[in-house]
Amino acid sequence: SQQGEEDPQALSIQEGENATMNCSYKTSINNLQWYRQNSGRGLVHLILIRSNEREKHSGRLRVTLDTSKKSSSLLITASRAADTASYFCATAANIGAGSYQLTFGKGTKLSVIP
Amino acid sequence: DTEVTQTPKHLVMGMTNKKSLKCEQHMGHRAMYWYKQKAKKPPELMFVYSYEKLSINESVPSRFSPECPNSSLLNLHLHALQPEDSALYLCASSQAGGRSTDTQYFGPGTRLTVL
Repeated sequence: SQQGEEDPQALSIQEGENATMNCSYKTSINNLQWYRQNSGRGLVHLILIRSNEREKHSGRLRVTLDTSKKSSSLLITASRAADTASYFCATAANIGAGSYQLTFGKGTKLSVIP
Repeated sequence: DTEVTQTPKHLVMGMTNKKSLKCEQHMGHRAMYWYKQKAKKPPELMFVYSYEKLSINESVPSRFSPECPNSSLLNLHLHALQPEDSALYLCASSQAGGRSTDTQYFGPGTRLTVL
């Protein structure tokens, strides 16, 4: 079952603008992660925020987490055409035996127009 | 080296064929994963191997058979697939210990088409 729900499903912006994507989830989490996927290829890990953190930055990325609302947001500042991709949030749960499970949201497809 | 490689990149097979997908990593990771991703959908977990042992099988049909011959390799054997099995198959790995804060590194995927 899908844990996260991204909003919006698709977003189109001009280069240089900021892009904000939201994610909601249903159960308690250890952490929430954001991934990027270009054109149906492999996923790239962007940033992880722990359940006891409220905000985290990495370069042009800013992630917030509100555990009371079970929601997270990803902000990409000063967007570039190369940021065009699908962005997924994923919640992580330990499943024992030295491994863990990622459950992905439906994703937001971001298009940055040059 | 933070690369996970997958072969082949594309695969077209008939419903009576037997084929295998291969995944390889040399990062010393001891947890490896297979995901299935349909078009415009998020990845869905299929199998998890931890220390070369199958730890999770997410109710995947037996026509998909995973194998982990050693700590660097993960295979997915395919037999008697259906057209609805056409999808992007992604492999991922994470560090020994498998803490949920560990990053999963994904391969580029194999695009499978079943005719």
